[in-house]
Amino acid sequence: NAGVTQTPKFRILKIGQSMTLQCTQDMNHNYMYWYRQDPGMGLKLIYYSVGAGITDKGEVPNGYNVSRSTTEDFPLRLELAAPSQTSVYFCASSYSTFSGAGANVLTFGAGSRLTVL
Amino acid sequence: TQLLEQSPQFLSIQEGENLTVYCNSSSVFSSLQWYRQEPGEGPVLLVTVVTGGEVKKLKRLTFQFGDARKDSSLHITAAQPGDTGLYLCAGAKETSGSRLTFGEGTQLTVNP
Repeated sequence: NAGVTQTPKFRILKIGQSMTLQCTQDMNHNYMYWYRQDPGMGLKLIYYSVGAGITDKGEVPNGYNVSRSTTEDFPLRLELAAPSQTSVYFCASSYSTFSGAGANVLTFGAGSRLTVL
Repeated sequence: TQLLEQSPQFLSIQEGENLTVYCNSSSVFSSLQWYRQEPGEGPVLLVTVVTGGEVKKLKRLTFQFGDARKDSSLHITAAQPGDTGLYLCAGAKETSGSRLTFGEGTQLTVNP
């Protein structure tokens, strides 16, 4: 059982370049998320999806785009890379939003470290 | 404005010592989770607390949810080098749907 798989693990981009971070999960989770993690800043939500064909903005969506054509895949696109997008990106998925012990439990991928120079 | 404040931000202790990490907010959460993250990996869930005043134990780790469901603490007894990592609290609200709010994290280092 692979869980949440992210590629690539590392990438260096030049300012203005574009790229897509791939994320796939094999747990049949409806909900998927993209976070970025900067030192001392915790995790900030970029975009999320509650199911195939449905996406919505999180706290820090500017400069990013997402799509969700299947339950399994949730790619994150950077169109014009900027130094401010240097960060570690985490994809996550969850199976429930109901309250209780199982609520919103996230399974994370191993992360993608992006550097924009 | 950070909705969930964690303290301390950094903690370096010797093996065998006890420690407590705090996660505080002025908002009420329907549930609160604690994750641990090791270098080069994603966060992994440790526990979820859902009832005000709830206490959960996971071996040497004790988690408590405040009576008013606005704060939580993580206490580690007799810390070991294997406890080293970034500890993150995350809160869920009924009004936020599937979105969690994360604290900034506490970086714990346990020296042998």
